[in-house]
Amino acid sequence: QKEVEQDPGPLSVPEGAIVSLNCTYSNSAFQYFMWYRQYSRKGPELLMYTYSSGNKEDGRFTAQVDKSSKYISLFIRDSQPSDSATYLCAMGSSASKIIFGSGTRLSIRP
Amino acid sequence: GAGVSQSPSNKVTEKGKDVELRCDPISGHTALYWYRQSLGQGLEFLIYFQGNSAPDKSGLPSDRFSAERTGGSVSTLTIQRTQQEDSAVYLCASSSQETQYFGPGTRLLVL
Repeated sequence: QKEVEQDPGPLSVPEGAIVSLNCTYSNSAFQYFMWYRQYSRKGPELLMYTYSSGNKEDGRFTAQVDKSSKYISLFIRDSQPSDSATYLCAMGSSASKIIFGSGTRLSIRP
Repeated sequence: GAGVSQSPSNKVTEKGKDVELRCDPISGHTALYWYRQSLGQGLEFLIYFQGNSAPDKSGLPSDRFSAERTGGSVSTLTIQRTQQEDSAVYLCASSSQETQYFGPGTRLLVL
């Protein structure tokens, strides 16, 4: 079993829809959680960073962490074609290197 | 301030040749990571440097791969006797605490 599981997609939704991206993990020692966005032929860029259970909002993006279920989510409201990219979850602890999910390919249809 | 830079941005080589990829991390970042990403795939961890500690080499796929980090700053990933399956994007990332900042990657094509 991988330490971090992420559905690879592809996920295709119409413009304006709410998008939900998810990851599950098995290591209860993970302390911090991140979401990266990667456009085609570019390196990943940090989108959201959270350290505790609960929600964190930044504009149209909301990151949610449920440590009891070992489940994290990224919600995108009012999705735009420019949100089309691959989204990678990542997590780590002070005692370990960061582990990435395999990424979900998202396409927003105009 | 400058982000993570990598060179070359693209590299085409012949099977059997050695290649050297360079990463310049963000100044002051103590941690440096190398990843490999094949087309349409996720990130494959290769090696992790943290300060003066011994590097975590657990992700290196074979003994043809090696990396070093000089003076706690610039890092070089070397692939000896390249094979066609080594073709991928090689990404470098640096971090000061928990979050990583990625370079643009080096696209390696082995013919």
